Amino acid sequence: DGGITQSPKYLFRKEGQNVTLSCEQNLNHDAMYWYRQDPGQGLRLIYYSQIVNDFQKGDIAEGYSVSREKKESFPLTVTSAQKNPTAFYLCASSMLRRDNSGANVLTFGAGSRLTVL
Amino acid sequence: DAKTTQPTSMDCAEGRAANLPCNHSTISGNEYVYWYRQIHSQGPQYIIHGLKNNETNEMASLIITEDRKSSTLILPHATLRDTAVYYCIVRVSLTAGGTSYGKLTFGQGTILTVHP
Repeated sequence: DGGITQSPKYLFRKEGQNVTLSCEQNLNHDAMYWYRQDPGQGLRLIYYSQIVNDFQKGDIAEGYSVSREKKESFPLTVTSAQKNPTAFYLCASSMLRRDNSGANVLTFGAGSRLTVL
Repeated sequence: DAKTTQPTSMDCAEGRAANLPCNHSTISGNEYVYWYRQIHSQGPQYIIHGLKNNETNEMASLIITEDRKSSTLILPHATLRDTAVYYCIVRVSLTAGGTSYGKLTFGQGTILTVHP
């Protein structure tokens, strides 16, 4: 079955450590996204990528980094510069379309919950 | 992007229709209305979207008013598994290089609780 796989599902890290969250998709989608969700809040966009080797900052990119070396993969690194990294992280993907319809139909992964001790 | 307003929470009896409203009075002509839902501790799930005509799929129906300033998501026969946070998002797709991609802004949505 096609979908998005995020790992690990739960992750604990000590302050000052970098951690990388994995996101892999087999949907042949061109665009991929990373969102952050805090308890009781909506989702906020961290980074997004339309094509391989290209990505753009979202609304809250500070303290995060990404890479897009393969179409299927879009890992997110939470660096020690991120002041409040404890959150639920969601990866998503979508097709690029030549018309305006449906371009915001995103497929999400199950999420990774990061806790900083 | 147009701002949306949704009730914080709603209740619905199992088997009855759930009607979730969304106000988007500043919507512009090229903005679509999208609905997603998020079951607790899972990733959001796309439900339906529309521009100005009513839409229906296997999950739900979307009714958009003629002036497009509000819409209603209808779950025709709600089940306990429909308990979730429902997000209404109004968004124009950004076009780059002849293709379109989407970036979504999720607010706090409506917490729908379906009870027996």
